[in-house]
Amino acid sequence: EDKVVQSPLSLVVHEGDTVTLNCSYEVTNFRSLLWYKQEKKAPTFLFMLTSSGIEKKSGRLSSILDKKELSSILNITATQTGDSAIYLCAVEDFGNEKLTFGTGTRLTIIP
Amino acid sequence: NAGVTQTPKFQVLKTGQSMTLQCAQDMNHEYMSWYRQDPGMGLRLIHYSVGAGITDQGEVPNGYNVSRSTTEDFPLRLLSAAPSQTSVYFCASRRQDRGQSYTFGSGTRLTVV
Repeated sequence: EDKVVQSPLSLVVHEGDTVTLNCSYEVTNFRSLLWYKQEKKAPTFLFMLTSSGIEKKSGRLSSILDKKELSSILNITATQTGDSAIYLCAVEDFGNEKLTFGTGTRLTIIP
Repeated sequence: NAGVTQTPKFQVLKTGQSMTLQCAQDMNHEYMSWYRQDPGMGLRLIHYSVGAGITDQGEVPNGYNVSRSTTEDFPLRLLSAAPSQTSVYFCASRRQDRGQSYTFGSGTRLTVV
C-alpha cells in the first residue's frame, strides 16, 4: 500500500523567513510526486516531479525530488503572509490513477 | 470555463438519510475522483473513474456509490448516512495525458447528525 509522510505537521515562522517542508513516500511503482497548496477550500496545484523532472521552481517556491531517498522537499524563500496554508504532498503509482496524500504541513506566517 | 463544480457547498443530514453530492467538470477530463478530508487524515480516495462507464473503488469506498454515465458528471451517493461520514468531500478531475495534475472542486462540507 502506498504511503506518504509529511513533516513537520505544523510550522510557524516570521515573514521573510525561509522554510523547508518534507515529504517521504513508499510507492510500489513510482510515477510522480505532486505538491498542492490548500488555503480555505480546494487544493491548488504547485508542482509535479517525475523521474525526468526532479527539480521545479516558480518564483519563491522550489521543490526537489530525491528518488534514492524516496523523498522530496518544498522550499519557500522570503515567506509572506499569503503563504499561510496547508501544503499537501501526494504520490501517483503507475498502473492506477490514484493519488495517495500525506496529512499535510500547516504553515503559518506571522507578520 | 468553470472547471470542477461541486454542489451543494454545505449539507446537514440526519443519520440514515441518503443524498447525492454532485460533481461536474467542463474540461473534457477523462479521469475523475472523489476524496474525503478529515482532520489529521489528509485526503483519502473514495472512488474514481477513468472514463464514462468505468468506476473503481479507492481506499475508503464503504457507504458510498458512484456512477459515470457521462464524461462531465461524477455524482457520489451516500446510501444511508452515518456520523462517521461527516467530512469535507472533494471532487477532482484531470486529463488522461501523462504529466497532468488533478484540478479540485471547492468541496462539500457534510455533517451527519
